[in-house]
Amino acid sequence: QVQLQESGPGLVKPSQTLSLTCTVSGGSISSGGFYWSWIRQFPGKGLEWIGYVYHSGTTSYNPSLKSRVTISVDTSKNQFSLNLTSVTAADTAVYYCARDTYHSGWYFFDYWGQGTPVTVSS
Amino acid sequence: IQLTQSPSSLSASIGDRVTITCRASQAISTYLAWYLQQPGRAPKVLIYAASTLQSGVPSRFSGSGSGTDFTLTISSLQPEDFGTYYCQHLNVYPRTFGQGTKVE
Repeated sequence: QVQLQESGPGLVKPSQTLSLTCTVSGGSISSGGFYWSWIRQFPGKGLEWIGYVYHSGTTSYNPSLKSRVTISVDTSKNQFSLNLTSVTAADTAVYYCARDTYHSGWYFFDYWGQGTPVTVSS
Repeated sequence: IQLTQSPSSLSASIGDRVTITCRASQAISTYLAWYLQQPGRAPKVLIYAASTLQSGVPSRFSGSGSGTDFTLTISSLQPEDFGTYYCQHLNVYPRTFGQGTKVE
């Protein structure tokens, strides 16, 4: 059973960088067909896809965040990470890591971490 | 691509038949998934490709539609089905979600 677990600070000051790591267990992050993603959920419950990294290091980002986001992968540790720079209160959300799976021609998020709340405040 | 769900919330009882709709701002064929988020938990995929049930999901859930209009139906609501349902379009980036339908 694949499991994902987010880790990182729950409080970040405005203008600083939000950094989170997702540790994958029960499966290899190097397996093909999976896109390792970050998704956030705002206090009003809306969901926003942030981006993904493939095991090769290939990335794709939401255009709304592209200038501030970096997602990277460390296959030796079976982890992938999110960096979001110049944060503001609008970045306050629960951050999820998730696996975007390619299955029979379709992509969908089949495994999610439990989510980690991040508050941006001084 | 914008996804608009209706209703935003609904009240239902155990055993009720529940229907939720999702409308896309442009045609997306059957590139749609449905998720359920129970309180305090991450979303869980129920249906992908508009009508394909994910492994392990009870058969009381069904999905239909193509193009711009989609429907999620729960044939007989069970206690574990309460929560918020989201639609999401597939295979195109950026991935986007509907705003959610809370079933209470």
